[in-house]
This record gives sequence, structure tokens and C-alpha cells, in this order.
Amino acid sequence: NAGVTQTPKFQVLKTGQSMTLQCAQDMNHNSMYWYRQDPGMGLRLIYYSASEGTTDKGEVPNGYNVSRLNKREFSLRLESAAPSQTSVYFCASSPTWEGYGYTFGSGTRLTVV
Amino acid sequence: GESVGLHLPTLSVQEGDNSIINCAYSNSASDYFIWYKQESGKGPQFIIDIRSNMDKRQGQRVTVLLNKTVKHLSLQIAATQPGDSAVYFCAERGTGFQKLVFGTGTRLLVSP
Repeated sequence: NAGVTQTPKFQVLKTGQSMTLQCAQDMNHNSMYWYRQDPGMGLRLIYYSASEGTTDKGEVPNGYNVSRLNKREFSLRLESAAPSQTSVYFCASSPTWEGYGYTFGSGTRLTVV
Repeated sequence: GESVGLHLPTLSVQEGDNSIINCAYSNSASDYFIWYKQESGKGPQFIIDIRSNMDKRQGQRVTVLLNKTVKHLSLQIAATQPGDSAVYFCAERGTGFQKLVFGTGTRLLVSP
């Protein structure tokens, strides 16, 4: 039972490059989320998908796009990476969009140089 | 807006001591609170939760206390062990679109 799986675990990008962070969950959860975690700050919501087929902006969506590929997978894309996007990115899922039962992945550490 | 914060950024204790980690929240309408543990290089892990109609909840070696009068949440860890060393942060379930709002975290360091 893997829970939430994120790939890759580490990535270094040059400014302007693009990449997609992958996330998959095997718990049959309806809702999925992308957060970023920066030093001295709490987890900040980038985008979320309350249910399959829907996506919405969170607190800090600029510079990112998402795709809810199916119920299991939720990807985060950086179209043109900037140094300000250097962060640790966490994917999470929950049974419903009610704030309960979050499970987090192990994170992707992204450095943009 | 909603905000969740912590009083102490770092807490150092000796193995076997009891640890208390504090959290202040600002949204009096929040109805559910969670404590997470985050070890280095890992994602946040659920520890314990409490609903706003309770003031205390106990788990295995952990207790969460909720004081709604002063909007304060605390996590007590009994007989702290080196394996408890991690960053602990609280989260509140509020009333906005962002269902969970996360605090910044307190680092707990346990010395053998």
C-alpha cells in the first residue's frame, strides 16, 4: 500500500526550463492537492482538485498548471521555471473535499538555477 | 484571513522528558485541528486530531489540548524519544476555500 507517490524526488532546472511533477495515489481518494513548502512558511496550496474532472487555483497558483489525469493521478507543471519556484513540493490526497484524512507524498525538492 | 502560527520555532529536550508544542490560531470558526509530524526529507504525517467540541484528546504518548477561549492548541508528547525529533506543525480546518491552513512548524530536538 504505497499511499501517495511523487516523482521525481529531486530535480534541478535552469531558469526557463519546463517540467512536470507527477503524483499518484492508490487510496481511491476523490480530492488531490499540490503544496509548496518554503523555509519559515507553512504549506501553501498551489492548486487542488476537489474531484476527478475539476481543478482550482489555490493560494499561490502563478507559474503553475495542473492536470487531473484520472482519479489516481494529479500532475503539476512548471512551464517556465523561475528561481522563485525553488521549493519542496508536496502532493496530498483526501477522501473528500472536507479537510479530513489528508495523506501526503514524500515530496519533490526542486532547485531552479 | 485565516492564519495559524507557532510560539516556539525550536524546542530542545532530553530523552524521557515530556514535550509541549504550542500553536495559536486566529479563526474562531475553525472546527477541526490536526497535528502533523514531518521528519527530514519526508512528507507530513498525521499524529492526532481534535474537533472543536472537545478540549482534550489522547493518543499513544500524545495528547492534544484545545483552548477555544484563547484560540490555542498544544501537543504534548510523553516520555520523548530520539525518534520524536522532527518538525511538528498544526493545521486548522477553516471556513474558506482552503479547507486546511497550516502553521509554520516547531522543530523538536531530542537529546539522548
